[in-house]
Amino acid sequence: NAGVMQNPRHLVRRRGQEARLRCSPMKGHSHVYWYRQLPEEGLKFMVYLQKENIIDESGMPKERFSAEFPKEGPSILRIQQVVRGDSAAYFCASSPGLTGANVLTFGAGSRLTVL
Amino acid sequence: AQSVTQPDIHITVSEGASLELRCNYSYGATPYLFWYVQSPGQGLQLLLKYFSGDTLVQGIKGFEAEFKRSQSSFNLRKPSVHWSDAAEYFCAVDDYKLSFGAGTTVTVRA
Repeated sequence: NAGVMQNPRHLVRRRGQEARLRCSPMKGHSHVYWYRQLPEEGLKFMVYLQKENIIDESGMPKERFSAEFPKEGPSILRIQQVVRGDSAAYFCASSPGLTGANVLTFGAGSRLTVL
Repeated sequence: AQSVTQPDIHITVSEGASLELRCNYSYGATPYLFWYVQSPGQGLQLLLKYFSGDTLVQGIKGFEAEFKRSQSSFNLRKPSVHWSDAAEYFCAVDDYKLSFGAGTTVTVRA
């Protein structure tokens, strides 16, 4: 039973390019969360999605960032026109239902470097 | 909104010594609390969780944590630290999405 799969593990982009990070949740999990970890900081919540729905995007920057979790396929976190401040580790987590009763399982992360 | 504070940014312990990491939460009702560990360049692994019931919770790798409502704390402990315990530790509280503390980095010296 594979865990949460994230790819790419490492991504290098130049300023102004687009970054796409993918997350395949654990089998049977329909809830996906994205977190960002800046250097020397803890994890900050970005967005919470269920299949085809964004439930909570209160942690997403208002511009350039978007996320989706289509009916088929992985969840995608998209960053347009990247800037150096976007350099961070982006973690995806999944759960079978609302947290509290369910525990989040995290992927290994995607580390974005913006040159 | 719920929040978590980890007062210690960095702790250094000798191998074989005991370890205690502090975590304070802010929440009106009984919270769901978690401790995660992150090794360098890796994702987060769940050490233990508290939902209800017994306030002393046992986790993996010999860790335990005690929920103290009167102190709004959920401190993590390990009686004897191994070199492989060097990592970053995060306390988290759940309000349908996890809110993490800033983390405590543990260094283990021989």
